[in-house]
Amino acid sequence: EPEVTQTPSHQVTQMGQEVILRCVPISNHLYFYWYRQILGQKVEFLVSFYNNEISEKSEIFDDQFSVERPDGSNFTLKIRSTKLEDSAMYFCASSEEGGSADTQYFGPGTRLTVL
Amino acid sequence: AQTVTQSQPEMSVQEAETVTLSCTYDTSENNYYLFWYKQPPSRQMILVIRQEAYKQQNATENRFSVNFQKAAKSFSLKISDSQLGDTAMYFCAFMMLSGYALNFGKGTSLLVTP
Repeated sequence: EPEVTQTPSHQVTQMGQEVILRCVPISNHLYFYWYRQILGQKVEFLVSFYNNEISEKSEIFDDQFSVERPDGSNFTLKIRSTKLEDSAMYFCASSEEGGSADTQYFGPGTRLTVL
Repeated sequence: AQTVTQSQPEMSVQEAETVTLSCTYDTSENNYYLFWYKQPPSRQMILVIRQEAYKQQNATENRFSVNFQKAAKSFSLKISDSQLGDTAMYFCAFMMLSGYALNFGKGTSLLVTP
């Protein structure tokens, strides 16, 4: 069964550095998402992406964050100038169609640790 | 803004028994979707069951069923005949009809014991 994959599984970075988290969505899916979960807190929506555009974003997704689909298979989340509070598990998801009628399939997550 | 509350951080159940996980939510919307996702240890989060708010009939998927009480804004998950493989974190989630974002609760860690 096709799965969403994410690399790396764990990323350690220094405060102020840029990081890029990578995701390979399921191949026939058109909608892509990023969520994050700070330890002990809820999974929070960051952004959804369709047709090379952001379709929805949360208040968390400020100018520090950006997303890109650089080729036909990858979907990336870039965090510029990381802060300690960016330490979290970041989940990528994809769906065949967008909206509430469709199932979002999640990847295993990337644990980001900012020192 | 919508909020989702799961009041049981941890639960345990014996194999073959039935367990109910609670979820309440707050919204001013009339039409929306509710979900239960399961995340086994070190595995991906997967969809267990979905409920459309405009449907009165409670959703069921094999051993998993929901008790959806729209007026009370309650959406509990019942797992019948619990199996060891049901051990996981269970997340309740809300989505607006026109939205893309899943709004999750904090999760309930369920342990199924032999």
